[in-house]
Amino acid sequence: RKEVEQDPGPFNVPEGATVAFNCTYSNSASQSFFWYRQDCRKEPKLLMSVYSSGNEDGRFTAQLNRASQYISLLIRDSKLSDSATYLCVVTYGNEKLTFGTGTRLTIIP
Amino acid sequence: EADIYQTPRYLVIGTGKKITLECSQTMGHDKMYWYQQDPGMELHLIHYSYGVNSTEKGDLSSESTVSRIRTEHFPLTLESARPSHTSQYLCASSQPGGPYEQYFGPGTRLTVT
Repeated sequence: RKEVEQDPGPFNVPEGATVAFNCTYSNSASQSFFWYRQDCRKEPKLLMSVYSSGNEDGRFTAQLNRASQYISLLIRDSKLSDSATYLCVVTYGNEKLTFGTGTRLTIIP
Repeated sequence: EADIYQTPRYLVIGTGKKITLECSQTMGHDKMYWYQQDPGMELHLIHYSYGVNSTEKGDLSSESTVSRIRTEHFPLTLESARPSHTSQYLCASSQPGGPYEQYFGPGTRLTVT
C-alpha cells in the first residue's frame, strides 16, 4: 500500500463547477499536510498548507480528518487556469515530503 | 518566483557517459533535495542535504551521487548513464526548521539512449 494515495483522475469538470479531491495517508503519525499544484511539464508549487481546523484561501478550501487519515481539497467556481495536477503531500516530522501520484484536473470551457 | 536554477533543462546522452546535473539556489536555504519523477508518476526523493558537507540518500534507491560543498550548490552526478536513468530530475530547497514550503527548480529532463 502506498503511503499517500490519490485518485489519479482525470477529472473533467465544466468551468464554474465545484470539484473536490480526497487523499488518504497510511501513517497515523503524519504531522504536516500540503497541497501542491503541478502544471504539465512544470515543477510543483505549493498551493496551500492543510491545518487541523481546516483552512480557506479564496476559492480553495482544505480539510484534514486525522481520525480517518484523509485530507481534502475543494475548488469552488473553477476556472480554466485551475487545470493542473494536484499533489497531496505528507510529512512525518523529519521534514522529508512524501508525495502522492497526483490528481489530474481539466476544466472544460 | 523561486530563485532556484537547474541546468541543463534537457539532456540527451548516450549510454555509459558521465553526467552532472546542476542545481543552484540564491535564497540561502540550508536544505536541498533531489527528486526523480517519471511522466504521470509521483515524485520520489533520491537525495537530500541539510547543509554543507551533509548528504543523505532518499527513499528511492538511486545510482547517482551528490555533493554539497557550498550552501547554494547541490549537483547530482551519474558516473555511467543507462537508459533506465531516463526521467525528469527536480531539485528543491527549503529554509531551516519547518517543515516549510519546498521551492522547486524547473527540472532537467534526461534521456539516455
